[in-house]
Amino acid sequence: DVKVTQSSRYLVKRTGEKVFLECVQDMDHENMFWYRQDPGLGLRLIYFSYDVKMKEKGDIPEGYSVSREKKERFSLILESASTNQTSMYLCASSLYAGSNYNEQFFGPGTRLTVL
Amino acid sequence: DQQVKQNSPSLSVQEGRISILNCDYTNSMFDYFLWYKKYPAEGPTFLISISSIKDKNEDGRFTVFLNKSAKHLSLHIVPSQPGDSAVYFCAASVGGKLIFGQGTELSVKP
Repeated sequence: DVKVTQSSRYLVKRTGEKVFLECVQDMDHENMFWYRQDPGLGLRLIYFSYDVKMKEKGDIPEGYSVSREKKERFSLILESASTNQTSMYLCASSLYAGSNYNEQFFGPGTRLTVL
Repeated sequence: DQQVKQNSPSLSVQEGRISILNCDYTNSMFDYFLWYKKYPAEGPTFLISISSIKDKNEDGRFTVFLNKSAKHLSLHIVPSQPGDSAVYFCAASVGGKLIFGQGTELSVKP
């Protein structure tokens, strides 16, 4: 079974703090993704990575950065947290960079609250 | 610009009846469509998919229909069970990424 784990289930931070969200997958997947889920907006892609040290912007990258130093680990960084970044953050991975079929496997999510 | 749309935020169905969840898309280049199910405080889990060259795929109680001319897909759940109560997302695959709809919250009443 593919396992995607996220470092925290719930996180409370203050405005202006630097926040790190960690994601690890154990199935040697090439692709990793960060989404946020907000009511009525579905899942929106923040950043994704096709390989180690590679990253691509998604639909809403502003205010975020990412790091992928190892294949199994993909980190999302909020440089200076703001209240509008309060959300559910979901990490996902998928197998092949060149595949047309891209079933993604998700972690349990991190509920981040910025006060 | 929402390329994948789920226009019904919620749906309520009686146990044992059929649930039909709908999804519309705008991009003809999508090559696969997937449905995910999400319970509160959990990540989405994959349910069923369909290739853009097919018009139907079935897996147990779940069937997905694709109408390419209308750019519309639907998920049928028969019979619906209380454990099916969750948020359902449709997603379209292109260029290694998935684009998700807004989700439909299904409530199956005993």
